Amino acid sequence: GESVGLHLPTLSVQEGDNSIINCAYSNSASDYFIWYKQESGKGPQFIIDIRSNMDKRQGQRVTVLLNKTVKHLSLQIAATQPGDSAVYFCAENFYGGSQGNLIFGKGTKLSVKP
Amino acid sequence: EAGVAQSPRYKIIEKRQSVAFWCNPISGHATLYWYQQILGQGPKLLIQFQNNGVVDDSQLPKDRFSAERLKGVDSTLKIQPAKLEDSAVYLCASSFLRGGFYEQYFGPGTRLTVT
Repeated sequence: GESVGLHLPTLSVQEGDNSIINCAYSNSASDYFIWYKQESGKGPQFIIDIRSNMDKRQGQRVTVLLNKTVKHLSLQIAATQPGDSAVYFCAENFYGGSQGNLIFGKGTKLSVKP
Repeated sequence: EAGVAQSPRYKIIEKRQSVAFWCNPISGHATLYWYQQILGQGPKLLIQFQNNGVVDDSQLPKDRFSAERLKGVDSTLKIQPAKLEDSAVYLCASSFLRGGFYEQYFGPGTRLTVT
């Protein structure tokens, strides 16, 4: 299928290296953040989330860091694999989670070289 | 657990024609969303339902787009008449409340091409 990654910032990493994808969010009142992975021809897939009362959260091979002072979010992927190649979006929630409305960032295309 | 289902997966129409998309959310998910994703961009919310009621349709171009969720389960999104700029992937998502926050799950999307 046609790639969703055209015209997006691209991060190229070697297989086995760690990847760091950054995101600047827009609203200081946002209190819930999610990272999604989107492969070509598929819908976004939930990776990990974090609430604004935390600054770090870890999952399996992934870590999300939140810096509310500068409204910055990052996703760290350890030991990056070819299957991690995709477009990654951060999303923020404005409404305290009560309505679940998400605002998505522009996305970063991760390319993993074998 | 089955995921969010959408159909059709692809649709090509001419401008000024009409088109409809269908979504079946994950069983038990009361909240359903329709997003528009233009190539190279993140998804943009069009409309959100809670059961069969509209929660937010502030970004839905109501002169040509309509959506319904009559029985609080399946939903349809319609465009009539379509314009060239409507070419995009239309994503449906559903969510459940976990720990006070809504965790959204997306379907595969319908890729619309308007010629």
